[in-house]
Amino acid sequence: NAGVTQTPKFRVLKTGQSMTLLCAQDMNHEYMYWYRQDPGMGLRLIHYSVGEGTTAKGEVPDGYNVSRLKKQNFLLGLESAAPSQTSVYFCASSYGTPDYNEQFFGPGTRLTVL
Amino acid sequence: AQSVAQPEDQVNVAEGNPLTVKCTYSVSGNPYLFWYVQYPNRGLQFLLKYITGDNLVKGSYGFEAEFNKSQTSFHLKKPSALVSDSALYFCAVRGSYSGGGADGLTFGKGTHLIIQP
Repeated sequence: NAGVTQTPKFRVLKTGQSMTLLCAQDMNHEYMYWYRQDPGMGLRLIHYSVGEGTTAKGEVPDGYNVSRLKKQNFLLGLESAAPSQTSVYFCASSYGTPDYNEQFFGPGTRLTVL
Repeated sequence: AQSVAQPEDQVNVAEGNPLTVKCTYSVSGNPYLFWYVQYPNRGLQFLLKYITGDNLVKGSYGFEAEFNKSQTSFHLKKPSALVSDSALYFCAVRGSYSGGGADGLTFGKGTHLIIQP
């Protein structure tokens, strides 16, 4: 089992460019999440999905879009990158709701927007 | 609204000594509490959780946490620290009145634990 994988690991963008981060999990989990981690702020939830074909907004969704076309994949898109989106992005998945079930995290994507 | 406080940015402990990483919370309803650990350049890893039952929860790598309802705390502990325990530790919480969605798991800002040889 690879668990949760993320691509790419690193990326540098110029302001206004777009990109897509890919998250894949092989644990047959229903729930998937995208977080961003900024120094001194912990993790903040961007978007999440409770199953294939469904997505919902988290705490900080502005400037991001997501899609869950296949159960094992959860994509995070930045349509027009801004320096404020410089961060480390983590994908996670869980078997069920996050109150009863631990989340499994990917290794992260470090994104710099110039 | 729910919140988590980790009052110490950094905790320094000598190897072999007991360690405590503090966490206090505020939720509506009963709390569901978690501890995660993050090693450098890695994603978070689950350590332990409290849902209900015994106030002392045992987890991975010899860690345990004590749930104290009256003090709204969920401190992480280990009887004897190892250098390899040095990492960033996150407390997370969700309240039972937060609704049925998958959002609402609030993470603390994290505490750097440094174990000195």
